[in-house]
Amino acid sequence: ETGVTQSPTHLIKTRGQQVTLRCSSQSGHNTVSWYQQALGQGPQFIFQYYREEENGRGNFPPRFSGLQFPNYSSELNVNALELDDSALYLCASSFYLLKGGYTFGSGTRLTVV
Amino acid sequence: AQSVTQLDSHVSVSEGTPVLLRCNYSSSYSPSLFWYVQHPNKGLQLLLKYTSAATLVKGINGFEAEFKKSETSFHLTKPSAHMSDAAEYFCVVSDRYRDDKIIFGKGTRLHILP
Repeated sequence: ETGVTQSPTHLIKTRGQQVTLRCSSQSGHNTVSWYQQALGQGPQFIFQYYREEENGRGNFPPRFSGLQFPNYSSELNVNALELDDSALYLCASSFYLLKGGYTFGSGTRLTVV
Repeated sequence: AQSVTQLDSHVSVSEGTPVLLRCNYSSSYSPSLFWYVQHPNKGLQLLLKYTSAATLVKGINGFEAEFKKSETSFHLTKPSAHMSDAAEYFCVVSDRYRDDKIIFGKGTRLHILP
């Protein structure tokens, strides 16, 4: 079975720009969650998608948005980038309500300059 | 509300000696608890999980953790540290009956001394 794949691995954007990050979930998983990990911090929950709808959201502003596609892959979009958005963005997939744990991708390192 | 407190931001042990990484949790619901490891410039790897069965949970690479409800703790241990164990470790809590998010602790950096 394939794991979680994220693209791109690294990205540099200018403040005010928009960015789209992509995630392919592990085979057999139907839920995708996104996390932001600032340097030296633990990951913070952004939101989760299940059945192509947002299924829960952390304390992030509306300029953070997402999509889930019929094949369970997902996108994270961030508008009007700010310097503080610089972080490692992690995608995790799981099977909804099956507490087997989440499978994480290696992340996308976003740098906003 | 759920929260996780990792009591040490850094732990240093000598190779071959025991490892103890401490975690306390707070949960309004029946919790599921996890430990993840993150090596430099890598994603997160699941070490072990507690979901409701045996309170002593064995994971990969010789790690184990014990769920103690009376102490609201889920400490991670290993009898003998190896150089390859040097990494960041995260204790994680989620609601066993909901799946909308998991809460991470701030992490513990484990250093292994030769």
